[in-house]
Amino acid sequence: DVKVTQSSRYLVKRTGEKVFLECVQDMDHENMFWYRQDPGLGLRLIYFSYDVKMKEKGDIPEGYSVSREKKERFSLILESASTSQTSMYLCASSSIGQGARIYGYTFGSGTRLTVV
Amino acid sequence: AQSVTQLDSQVPVFEEAPVELRCNYSSSVSVYLFWYVQYPNQGLQLLLKYLSGSTLVESINGFEAEFNKSQTSFHLRKPSVHISDTAEYFCAVTREKIRGNEKLTFGTGTRLTIIP
Repeated sequence: DVKVTQSSRYLVKRTGEKVFLECVQDMDHENMFWYRQDPGLGLRLIYFSYDVKMKEKGDIPEGYSVSREKKERFSLILESASTSQTSMYLCASSSIGQGARIYGYTFGSGTRLTVV
Repeated sequence: AQSVTQLDSQVPVFEEAPVELRCNYSSSVSVYLFWYVQYPNQGLQLLLKYLSGSTLVESINGFEAEFNKSQTSFHLRKPSVHISDTAEYFCAVTREKIRGNEKLTFGTGTRLTIIP
């Protein structure tokens, strides 16, 4: 019954490494999102994509990039990981237009990334 | 731009006692309001939403929320909590449209702990 799948539940990387976080959805949703979740700060939007190869910056895009080559897959890339990027990363998807309002977002279970 | 304030970061409650989780929003125009729940080690799930009509909305597991336009609030309540309600609860608002798609803005979350 899993609809949004994040490839790793836990990840440990070294400072300076290039890190890929993968997200796949099977609901044929047009919109996909990457959030980071930190205690006391809630969810902050990093990037989102509204179509294949299309992307828009969210509230905190610095240090991140994204890739969407296929509709079902949305990747978050940390170009050079830093300790400040240690966090829980959540992927979400929604259908287009009023879909987000009516049906809400569907979230993955999250990837807890630790950068040492 | 709209914003969401959750005044309480943590709320401890005895089992079978009532609870209220507070949420206030700021926006100069009409908004749609949501509560999401995150159980331990899981992603977020839509709990309930206010789109229009009756200002009192209910979820299937006994939670309810009331939209109060004059006080710009959307507080979440349950008359009698259970151990299984232990989770983090996020209030969210949407109005802003980017390329026709509505974007959710989340509050910082309230961690509800049920004491046996």
